[in-house]
Amino acid sequence: KAGVTQTPRYLIKTRGQQVTLSCSPISGHRSVSWYQQTPGQGLQFLFEYFSETQRNKGNFPGRFSGRQFSNSRSEMNVSTLELGDSALYLCASSLWDRDGNTEAFFGQGTRLTVV
Amino acid sequence: AQSVTQLGSHVSVSEGALVLLRCNYSSSVPPYLFWYVQYPNQGLQLLLKYTSAATLVKGINGFEAEFKKSETSFHLTKPSAHMSDAAEYFCAVSDESQAGTALIFGKGTTLSVSS
Repeated sequence: KAGVTQTPRYLIKTRGQQVTLSCSPISGHRSVSWYQQTPGQGLQFLFEYFSETQRNKGNFPGRFSGRQFSNSRSEMNVSTLELGDSALYLCASSLWDRDGNTEAFFGQGTRLTVV
Repeated sequence: AQSVTQLGSHVSVSEGALVLLRCNYSSSVPPYLFWYVQYPNQGLQLLLKYTSAATLVKGINGFEAEFKKSETSFHLTKPSAHMSDAAEYFCAVSDESQAGTALIFGKGTTLSVSS
């Protein structure tokens, strides 16, 4: 069974540009979450998509957005990049049930460097 | 607000020694708790999870954790450390304020294993 696939693995962008990251979840998983990992702030939740709808959102500015397609693949977009956006962005897919009994499977991440 | 505290950002042990990584959480409802491991330049791999079925949870690679409600703790242990256990370990709790799969992570503990 294929795992969570994130593309690209590495990305270098210039301040002020925008970037789109992609995540393909495990087949059958309808929930996709995004996290930002930095040395200073650690792992922080960005947002979660479930069946093409944003279900939850973390405390990040509106420059961070996402979407999910009908095949559950998800994209995350960051506009007007700032140096502080440099981070490892992790995608997690989950098979979520009504009892909330679930576990998140993480991709290898996309390392974004803003210069 | 919920939080996860990992005591000790860095733990060093000798090969064959006991591994003990500490995690305390705060939650107003019975939580789901997780331990993840991250190797350099990789995503997160689930070691084990607590979902109220049993207080002693066994995970992969010989790790286990015990949920102690009275102490609000979920410490990770392994009887005998291997060199391959050197990595960063994260404790996480399910976010009770969100109706999905969002996780709140601790800051992480780097485990070093010496021969």
